Amino acid sequence: GAGVSQTPSNKVTEKGKYVELRCDPISGHTALYWYRQSLGQGPEFLIYFQGTGAADDSGLPNDRFFAVRPEGSVSTLKIQRTERGDSAVYLCASSLGGQKEEQFFGPGTRLTVL
Amino acid sequence: KNQVEQSPQSLIILEGKNCTLQCNYTVSPFSNLRWYKQDTGRGPVSLTIMTFSENTKSNGRYTATLDADTKQSSLHITASQLSDSASYICVVSQPTTSGTYKYIFGTGTRLKVLA
Repeated sequence: GAGVSQTPSNKVTEKGKYVELRCDPISGHTALYWYRQSLGQGPEFLIYFQGTGAADDSGLPNDRFFAVRPEGSVSTLKIQRTERGDSAVYLCASSLGGQKEEQFFGPGTRLTVL
Repeated sequence: KNQVEQSPQSLIILEGKNCTLQCNYTVSPFSNLRWYKQDTGRGPVSLTIMTFSENTKSNGRYTATLDADTKQSSLHITASQLSDSASYICVVSQPTTSGTYKYIFGTGTRLKVLA
């Protein structure tokens, strides 16, 4: 596709459940980012991949959050034992090379934890 | 206190009017500053990017300015259109000791353009 895609667009789950959010970056983009955006706030950095490896995961709030990018393209953000406070829009972005390059964002996944 | 503060929080203007959005930051060291437009329910889209040595950058009806000495930036929108209704987010990047960059987002200004 032409842009970054994310699935699902909406996810409703119950407290304590496990969820996976998927991001398909722009083809050929080596850098991939995950952000979390709460209502009325700007995006908050979670993790940055360069290729298959997590170059910076300092934004992950706790060990319930984990992300992978096994083949250097698609990435999955995994949240265990979801809590109501995890409810937010999870945004993915990719860039062609390093972090100095423009990031292209996907439409986000809206996660609601009941 | 957020390291990137934007004002006003929200703004309503009439179609055809100009407006200016402000971004003040305390991030140091500083690599570059970006302005993004985020439509409701969509991801942010880049408008401009400036390094500390650049004072102004234009993209159509959008003009961003940067004063790295006072750590202030502004986004000026000329001849506003209904489609300009969106949130405008200022983002400052900060180099880290590990060689990566940290992106610090402001909370955005929500602009509503009325016919």
